[in-house]
Amino acid sequence: DIVMTQSPDSLAVSLGERATINCKSSQSVLYSSNNKNYLGWFQQRPGQPPKLLIYWASTRESGVPDRFSGSGSGTDFTLTISSLQAEDVAVYYCQQYYSTPQTFGQGTNLEIK
Amino acid sequence: EVQLVESGGGLVQPGGSLRLSCAASGFTFSRHWMHWVRQAPGKRPMWVSRVNGDGSTTAYADSVKGRFTISRDNAKNTLYLQMNSLRADDAAVYYCVRGGEPTVDYWGQGTLVTVSS
Repeated sequence: DIVMTQSPDSLAVSLGERATINCKSSQSVLYSSNNKNYLGWFQQRPGQPPKLLIYWASTRESGVPDRFSGSGSGTDFTLTISSLQAEDVAVYYCQQYYSTPQTFGQGTNLEIK
Repeated sequence: EVQLVESGGGLVQPGGSLRLSCAASGFTFSRHWMHWVRQAPGKRPMWVSRVNGDGSTTAYADSVKGRFTISRDNAKNTLYLQMNSLRADDAAVYYCVRGGEPTVDYWGQGTLVTVSS
């Protein structure tokens, strides 16, 4: 199975500031035939199910604010929130869907400083 | 609006069985792969199983293979998970999740499974 490892485990950022979460996969999730990274990002607010934010490593799901952006390729990826809002307090998970079983990172707990 | 509503969770003794259901609405159910994903308290989500649109192709996580069975009834827009020989480490919130393009997209609110004597 592909192991997904996130850093940091927790992060405190002031309102309006940038938040950056990293994700590393134990093997590449870049499929050479279509040059796409099989990497997603999910947001899970307290008491709620995960919500898809980004797929193909950098494509925002419909309705997701443009302050959320994803980048990276191969084994190293980043989720950036450009200007933190109060409603962004949540746990964020990266996920690979390159191979079965799809697997998730351990999560990054994002709080307001 | 896509809606996925799970039911069937509860308290079961080790070695017991449960059948989870997921009622789907707001989309053409038969056109989508469907998944079960579980999440123990404070832990990362873990993919459990998936089934294709017509129910003919399934896959399972190694930890549940031979004990769990996924199925669907497209006439009733309902997904199922039959869970047998339950163990303490199967305890979690079980989510019904739609297979989108290219990855899982909509998640239900989940149903809690507790395994304890």
